[in-house]
Amino acid sequence: DGGITQSPKYLFRKEGQNVTLSCEQNLNHDAMYWYRQDPGQGLRLIYYSQIVNDFQKGDIAEGYSVSREKKESFPLTVTSAQKNPTAFYLCASSEGRANQPQHFGDGTRLSIL
Amino acid sequence: GESVGLHLPTLSVQEGDNSIINCAYSNSASDYFIWYKQESGKGPQFIIDIRSNMDKRQGQRVTVLLNKTVKHLSLQIAATQPGDSAVYFCAEGRPETNFGNEKLTFGTGTRLTIIP
Repeated sequence: DGGITQSPKYLFRKEGQNVTLSCEQNLNHDAMYWYRQDPGQGLRLIYYSQIVNDFQKGDIAEGYSVSREKKESFPLTVTSAQKNPTAFYLCASSEGRANQPQHFGDGTRLSIL
Repeated sequence: GESVGLHLPTLSVQEGDNSIINCAYSNSASDYFIWYKQESGKGPQFIIDIRSNMDKRQGQRVTVLLNKTVKHLSLQIAATQPGDSAVYFCAEGRPETNFGNEKLTFGTGTRLTIIP
């Protein structure tokens, strides 16, 4: 089955620690995205990538970093500089063309120990 | 899993009845709209989309209506089933420089509960 796989489902971070969230897609999509979801708020864009080896900051990129070395993979690192990392993180992908929906993985819930 | 959107508008509907979920969007430049369904602890699931050159689009048991004059979007679900219970939210997309395709802005959602 084609889809987007995020791992792990639950992740815990200690103070001063960087953690990396995995996102893999087998949909052959060019574009990939990372969003953060907090209770009572709409999804907020962290980073996006329209093509391999290129990515751009979204609306709330501070304290996060990404890489896009392969078309199917777009890992997100939550650094120690992100002071409020507790959230539900969602990865999405799309064909990257106009009027095409983004499709989402099942998320990673990050909590602070 | 933990529910997302602890203070969402809620809608309770009897099983078998039709549901209508509304969404007001903010940007008149938005030209693409999507409805998503999100169950607890899961990622959003694509339901249906509509382009701004259309007023109505139908899918399986779902219909999306777009009123550009008042910037309003609605999702109608026919003959609701227990499995329809979830949070539903809309997204508006508009072209943005350097973004390639539309950048999406997401609503906070409505929690739909189906009463057996």
